[in-house]
Amino acid sequence: KAGVTQTPRYLIKTRGQQVTLSCSPISGHRSVSWYQQTPGQGLQFLFEYFSETQRNKGNFPGRFSGRQFSNSRSEMNVSTLELGDSALYLCASSDRAGYGYTFGSGTRLTVV
Amino acid sequence: GENVEQHPSTLSVQEGDSAVIKCTYSDSASNYFPWYKQELGKRPQLIIDIRSNVGEKKDQRIAVTLNKTAKHFSLHITETQPEDSAVYFCAYRGSTLGRLYFGRGTQLTVWP
Repeated sequence: KAGVTQTPRYLIKTRGQQVTLSCSPISGHRSVSWYQQTPGQGLQFLFEYFSETQRNKGNFPGRFSGRQFSNSRSEMNVSTLELGDSALYLCASSDRAGYGYTFGSGTRLTVV
Repeated sequence: GENVEQHPSTLSVQEGDSAVIKCTYSDSASNYFPWYKQELGKRPQLIIDIRSNVGEKKDQRIAVTLNKTAKHFSLHITETQPEDSAVYFCAYRGSTLGRLYFGRGTQLTVWP
């Protein structure tokens, strides 16, 4: 069974630009959640999608948005990038009952 | 409440010794408690989890205990090996499906 796949693995962007990250969950998993990981703040919850609907949202500004497609793949978009957005962005998928969250390898975003 | 306190933040042990990491949570509706291991530059990997109807779960050298009355859960690693060196995160899921709340992590170092 394939794991959670995130693309791209690395990104370097300039302040003010926007970026789109992709996450393909484990086959059969319909929940995809996104986290930002930084040394100072740890793992911070961004949002979660289930069956193409945003079900949960963390405390991030509106520049952070996402969506989920009918095949459960999810994308996360960050607009007007700031230096502080540099982080490892992780997505996780889980089964219908909400157990067994499996993380992808993440996208390392660097904003310069 | 959504806080989860994780202690200690760093832990150094000699190979063969035991390591214990403790987390305290405040949400009485919490019913799922996973633990993740993250090696440097890699994704968080689920190593063991426990549900609220169980007090203890064991998997070879790793065990997790849950005390719902006191609202804390612990990870126990016995016969530690250098390859156990990593950052360990506790997490819990409250009444909201799709979202995990993470502790700040414990850097475990096992010296040969």
